[in-house]
Amino acid sequence: GAGVSQSPRYKVAKRGQDVALRCDPISGHVSLFWYQQALGQGPEFLTYFQNEAQLDKSGLPSDRFFAERPEGSVSTLKIQRTQQEDSAVYLCASSISGALGGELFFGEGSRLTVL
Amino acid sequence: AQSVAQPEDQVNVAEGNPLTVKCTYSVSGNPYLFWYVQYPNRGLQFLLKYITGDNLVKGSYGFEAEFNKSQTSFHLKKPSALVSDSALYFCAVRGLQTGANNLFFGTGTRLTVIP
Repeated sequence: GAGVSQSPRYKVAKRGQDVALRCDPISGHVSLFWYQQALGQGPEFLTYFQNEAQLDKSGLPSDRFFAERPEGSVSTLKIQRTQQEDSAVYLCASSISGALGGELFFGEGSRLTVL
Repeated sequence: AQSVAQPEDQVNVAEGNPLTVKCTYSVSGNPYLFWYVQYPNRGLQFLLKYITGDNLVKGSYGFEAEFNKSQTSFHLKKPSALVSDSALYFCAVRGLQTGANNLFFGTGTRLTVIP
């Protein structure tokens, strides 16, 4: 597609449920990022892939968060046993390369609400 | 450690007047600086970046930003504001220490252009 696509756009989960958020990056983009954006805050880094390799997962807040990109294209962010503090918008972004000067292209985000 | 500060949560400007959205940064080595805009319920859109070269960079929608190394600033500017410029603006920075893994974002500045 022309841009980064994320699904679902909105997800409501009961506390304790598992959720999976999907990201389709721009075709051919090597780098893929996940960010978490709480209400009224700037995006905060979660994890980074270069092709299928997860090179940095230092931003994942707990071991309940897991991300994968098995074929170097589509990525899934999974949150197990969701908690209320997980409520946020989860943004996926891709970049054509891993260069420091490369801009990120963001999807519209998946808004997760945990009740 | 790297950081980005956007000292103003909110900026109001009359339509047709010049606008400035402030950003200062802290990063080891040469900075790679970015501005993004976020419209309601949308993902972040890239506006412009500074990598090297001219301190004044021009970007999308008539925006420009000036890199000032001595003041560690990268303020976003536009000569004549439009009502449609009303949105949330984020400054972001990368450096050699952060690597390509992480683009650090500020907390955002909400720009309101008053008709």
